[in-house]
Amino acid sequence: AQRVTQPEKLLSVFKGAPVELKCNYSYSGSPELFWYVQYSRQRLQLLLRHISRESIKGFTADLNKGETSFHLKKPFAQEEDSAMYYCALSEAGANNLFFGTGTRLTVIP
Amino acid sequence: DAGVTQSPTHLIKTRGQQVTLRCSPKSGHDTVSWYQQALGQGPQFIFQYYEEEERQRGNFPDRFSGHQFPNYSSELNVNALLLGDSALYLCASSLDLGPGELFFGEGSRLTVL
Repeated sequence: AQRVTQPEKLLSVFKGAPVELKCNYSYSGSPELFWYVQYSRQRLQLLLRHISRESIKGFTADLNKGETSFHLKKPFAQEEDSAMYYCALSEAGANNLFFGTGTRLTVIP
Repeated sequence: DAGVTQSPTHLIKTRGQQVTLRCSPKSGHDTVSWYQQALGQGPQFIFQYYEEEERQRGNFPDRFSGHQFPNYSSELNVNALLLGDSALYLCASSLDLGPGELFFGEGSRLTVL
């Protein structure tokens, strides 16, 4: 069963426009949610995790247990935000991550 | 710090052959996880090693095996290769069993013909 769903494979927004990358999960327990990002010619790296409640590079994500979502948002997209974004989930007591299929974000100048 | 290093970067094998992929974790990290990423998909967990033992395993057949050495480096072995094993194999290291932040290598791209 797909634990993490990212419905958009591709997303394009103009520079300065708001951006939202969607992530929905399927898990009845208390998950830990992450967003990982891969910039062009770089390795996969952590962007943020919900327990940190931080804003990284202007991005935020709120865990909504009622809607089982963990959407990634940024009010004003920048060209350097163009990358592949993966939502990931860890089940309680587990050490591994379940990744979604990713969304490729393109910010148009 | 070079971060997580993997070798080889690319390799081509034929069906039925065996392959060994290698990973050196980020300095100071003692836990290594392996992921398989097929084209157009997200990474899929294979297994995790800590203190030279397999601690957790994903839904992969026994053809996939691994090892961790005393210096924390790790190997991933795949026997009896199938066409469907063609993928990018990612190694990730972390400070502990997790699920904390994973530091990924650049991957080893395996093509099975």
